[in-house]
Amino acid sequence: GNSVTQMEGPVTLSEEAFLTINCTYTATGYPSLFWYVQYPGEGLQLLLKATKADDKGSNKGFEATYRKETTSFHLEKGSVQVSDSAVYFCALIQFYFGTGTSLTVIP
Amino acid sequence: DTGVSQDPRHKITKRGQNVTFRCDPISEHNRLYWYRQTLGQGPEFLTYFQNEAQLEKSRLLSDRFSAERPKGSFSTLEIQRTEQGDSAMYLCASSLGTSAHNSPLHFGNGTRLTVT
Repeated sequence: GNSVTQMEGPVTLSEEAFLTINCTYTATGYPSLFWYVQYPGEGLQLLLKATKADDKGSNKGFEATYRKETTSFHLEKGSVQVSDSAVYFCALIQFYFGTGTSLTVIP
Repeated sequence: DTGVSQDPRHKITKRGQNVTFRCDPISEHNRLYWYRQTLGQGPEFLTYFQNEAQLEKSRLLSDRFSAERPKGSFSTLEIQRTEQGDSAMYLCASSLGTSAHNSPLHFGNGTRLTVT
């Protein structure tokens, strides 16, 4: 069946460090993949998405590439900021979410 | 775009009581979803509607859970005979649905249920 496995946290990084949060999926076909972010005290909001294999989603300096060979959709950012501190969720279509990865960026 | 709104924000109830939550989606969105989220977990899909039709309800947690969207606008989620294990955050989301399920979700801030 369909499922998402997400890297567990929490993750603590210094400002300007490189970020990778791993996400792998199991699915039939090539369903859309999403990253959602939840900032402290706020609801989940879309960060980026990719709707087919080899697509790259990007937003706010974050990127993720839909890789069918490795069934992965890892989230990356080259230089994190304190304002990126949040919980990040990988999702497969609208029905399957990862457990979330908490990121704290320290100055 | 006024966003997805959920009411109430918090609900404290005694075990065995019934509770009902309301969700108002973004007005032009045809799909509406309900999720449960417990501490340290991601959203767990419960059910969804396209307009007034409930397209998936097998993931509702038990027959104590039911949802409606009578006019294809707002939706309600009811839990009957609440149990302490029902304590969680209940999230609503809406989207412009397509058959490919590739439209992003817009989430409300959730209703936090505490069963004592």
